[in-house]
Amino acid sequence: EVQLVESGGGLVQPGRSLRLSCAASGFTFDDYAMHWVRQAPGKGLEWVSGISWNSGSIGYADSVKGRFTISRDNAKNSLYLQMNSLRAEDTALYYCAKDIGFRIAAAGTFFDYWGQGTLVTVSS
Amino acid sequence: DIQMTQSPSSLSASVGDRVTITCRASQSISSYLNWYQQKPGKAPKLLIYAASSLQSGVPSRFSGSGSGTDFTLTISSLQPEDFATYYCQQSYSTPQSFGQGTKLEIK
Repeated sequence: EVQLVESGGGLVQPGRSLRLSCAASGFTFDDYAMHWVRQAPGKGLEWVSGISWNSGSIGYADSVKGRFTISRDNAKNSLYLQMNSLRAEDTALYYCAKDIGFRIAAAGTFFDYWGQGTLVTVSS
Repeated sequence: DIQMTQSPSSLSASVGDRVTITCRASQSISSYLNWYQQKPGKAPKLLIYAASSLQSGVPSRFSGSGSGTDFTLTISSLQPEDFATYYCQQSYSTPQSFGQGTKLEIK
């Protein structure tokens, strides 16, 4: 059974940093691209970042570019999101999602498994 | 970036009704359109990919159609468990943008 378990969320002050983790199991982690998608309270879904199977290709939403860094450790079956210079508008539930392919920008891709999310609240 | 617009934003319907949700892309995305269902407090669940392909395990009352810029998700006969929020997502180019969602409520 595929499982994605996010952790690392919490309350943080504006301008500070936080690192999210996603522990994957039930599939061959290093065969697939992975993504972070967030959802602000009461709002819709926003793709944040994606990373290919071998970390060779990485993408970011404009809203987080230069502040967030995605990474993965295939030996540990884990995905990470380092979030720096956090802003109030980064407050959201952050989901880890598995791609069906190994690249992040393949046309026709989709996310077949999602974690339950970890909540990040940016407030003073 | 490609913008995705769903209509309506909310919809009231009854069990047994046939319901259609529309998603429009700001440019042609071929058939690279996915649909997700999200229930309160839960993660999104993939329903349909490539505009019309049903994800394994999804009931056949769900169907999708369209290509280019205009797409629809149809639920042929609403069941109580179908009341949720539905999102379209384009996978033609990065960022893989989502629509704003359509909340399907019980009438």
